[in-house]
Amino acid sequence: GAVVSQHPSWVICKSGTSVKIECRSLDFQATTMFWYRQFPKQSLMLMATSNEGSKATYEQGVEKDKFLINHASLTLSTLTVTSAHPEDSSFYICSARERGGLAGLGEQFFGPGTRLTVL
Amino acid sequence: AQSVTQLGSHVSVSEGALVLLRCNYSSSVPPYLFWYVQYPNQGLQLLLKYTSAATLVKGINGFEAEFKKSETSFHLTKPSAHMSDAAEYFCAVSDLGGRSAGGTSYGKLTFGQGTILTVHP
Repeated sequence: GAVVSQHPSWVICKSGTSVKIECRSLDFQATTMFWYRQFPKQSLMLMATSNEGSKATYEQGVEKDKFLINHASLTLSTLTVTSAHPEDSSFYICSARERGGLAGLGEQFFGPGTRLTVL
Repeated sequence: AQSVTQLGSHVSVSEGALVLLRCNYSSSVPPYLFWYVQYPNQGLQLLLKYTSAATLVKGINGFEAEFKKSETSFHLTKPSAHMSDAAEYFCAVSDLGGRSAGGTSYGKLTFGQGTILTVHP
């Protein structure tokens, strides 16, 4: 149980285009999903927290107009990188907290990540 | 405010030797602490967690960690390293412990810098 998927697993795009990354909780309902980015040989940095049906909360320094997050249902959140540039190339990882259950224990279940390369 | 410091970005051990990965935390609320493992180009897998119950926590793959409040530490250990343990390990702290004080929290995780474990045959 508690599986989180991401799609695509990797994507290469041209500078100036937009890219959408999906994060799905496959066997549980996720009231809260988190989006992280990870640069090579670095730790995970939280970008934003999204709650189903409400606007995402962005961390300081993260441009909300550039990184659009939609959490339309209890099993799906999307991250759209708009007008991508080479400096946006990174490993993007989502995680989800289960509704009820282990949510009170703070456990997040992580997706496998999406490698974005902007040429 | 929360922070995590992992001492040593790289740790190298021989197969069969003790593994010790260090983690110190800072938290303004009772901490929930986690250790995750990441294999190349993959997401994170939970090894174990401390959520204010027993201070010695046992996790998967033979790993365990001890919460020491006086030392603000949560070091990860394994008695005997295996080649398959080679990966990157992240310590993380959650702000969920603050709920007991009436605060609101979404359970944000703050990660340490990570420690790459290499296991030599």
